[in-house]
Amino acid sequence: AQTVTQSQPEMSVQEAETVTLSCTYDTSESDYYLFWYKQPPSRQMILVIRQEAYKQQNATENRFSVNFQKAAKSFSLKISDSQLGDAAMYFCAYRSDPGTYKYIFGTGTRLKVLA
Amino acid sequence: GAGVSQSPSNKVTEKGKDVELRCDPISGHTALYWYRQSLGQGLEFLIYFQGNSAPDKSGLPSDRFSAERTGGSVSTLTIQRTQQEDSAVYLCASSYTGTNINTIYFGEGSWLTVV
Repeated sequence: AQTVTQSQPEMSVQEAETVTLSCTYDTSESDYYLFWYKQPPSRQMILVIRQEAYKQQNATENRFSVNFQKAAKSFSLKISDSQLGDAAMYFCAYRSDPGTYKYIFGTGTRLKVLA
Repeated sequence: GAGVSQSPSNKVTEKGKDVELRCDPISGHTALYWYRQSLGQGLEFLIYFQGNSAPDKSGLPSDRFSAERTGGSVSTLTIQRTQQEDSAVYLCASSYTGTNINTIYFGEGSWLTVV
């Protein structure tokens, strides 16, 4: 069975600085997708970025980028120029491809942004 | 609708009572998920519906939990004889499975407190 591990329960970053959130996963599959979701206090989960395992190029979305290391089964999220609105819980998620559409989530990292 | 809608947003119930949580997915989305998020924890998969296929119930924690999806749209998660450990946020999500990358969209959740 697949597992997703986020080893940092909480992180802090100074406004305008850069922070990296870690995520590792375990799978025997070769094709899958990885996601980072943000959950602000409103509780609604918001997709931040996604990565297809067959793509070697790391995904980027404005200030958000990932460092995808397939061999190491690592998928970290880098947030550049951190803003106060980035403060939230961040969840790493895994989904098989093809087959089951079940998403496996990590336990989350709470990000605090300091003014 | 524009997004995944869940009701009630908050529910306080007495131990032993039954509760029903409702989810209205995004129109046209064929897949629907229920997840549970306990305080400070990650997302725990409960059940997954895909079109007319038999649901994946592998995450339901006990036979007190059941879910149905009527007409391929609205879903109801029922918890019978609630226990205090059932207190959590219940998140519903939906996705369209007609494309290769199936991003899921979450509702804001139903916060259940069992007293």
